[in-house]
Amino acid sequence: QQQVKQSPQSLIVQKGGISIINCAYENTAFDYFPWYQQFPGKGPALLIAIRPDVSEKKEGRFTISFNKSAKQFSLHIMDSQPGDSATYFCAATAGGSYIPTFGRGTSLIVHP
Amino acid sequence: KAGVTQTPRYLIKTRGQQVTLSCSPISGHRSVSWYQQTPGQGLQFLFEYFSETQRNKGNFPGRFSGRQFSNSRSEMNVSTLELGDSALYLCASSSPNEGTEAFFGQGTRLTVV
Repeated sequence: QQQVKQSPQSLIVQKGGISIINCAYENTAFDYFPWYQQFPGKGPALLIAIRPDVSEKKEGRFTISFNKSAKQFSLHIMDSQPGDSATYFCAATAGGSYIPTFGRGTSLIVHP
Repeated sequence: KAGVTQTPRYLIKTRGQQVTLSCSPISGHRSVSWYQQTPGQGLQFLFEYFSETQRNKGNFPGRFSGRQFSNSRSEMNVSTLELGDSALYLCASSSPNEGTEAFFGQGTRLTVV
């Protein structure tokens, strides 16, 4: 049972374009939604996170949009750069847990 | 502050053997979690240790086990290795002082032949 569904599985974007990755969840107990970025040969690293009391959070070129009623959240990467090429995982945790439930990941390639 | 350190980085084992992986968490972090990452299944939770006690466990067979020492270092053991155990094994440490963020190591790439 996949509690966090992530799409697309892979994404190719031109430099300067917008990358959009979507996630949906079912467990209404989830109250923390982090996004992780993973480069080849490295472990995932926290990129940006949001709690359901806000609908949007922006950090530099990265924005999370959150729709509580639809139980969906998405990552937008503005002005995508080749250095953004990585695998992105959405995740969700509940009740202060340290154990995120991860989506399957999106492999992003940004062409120069 | 040093990050999460996993050793070894790479391992090649034969079917039927056993293997032990090591994880040193960030200093002061008492929670250590282990994940298996494969292309087909993504990141799957194995187990979490906190203060030397297994606090949570994922849906993996008993061949997968772990332990945590008093200094919070953790080891993961896989017995009777199968080809399907080939994966990147990731360790993450966490601390209530740093919210609910999980800090990951670089992982151990295990290949079973």
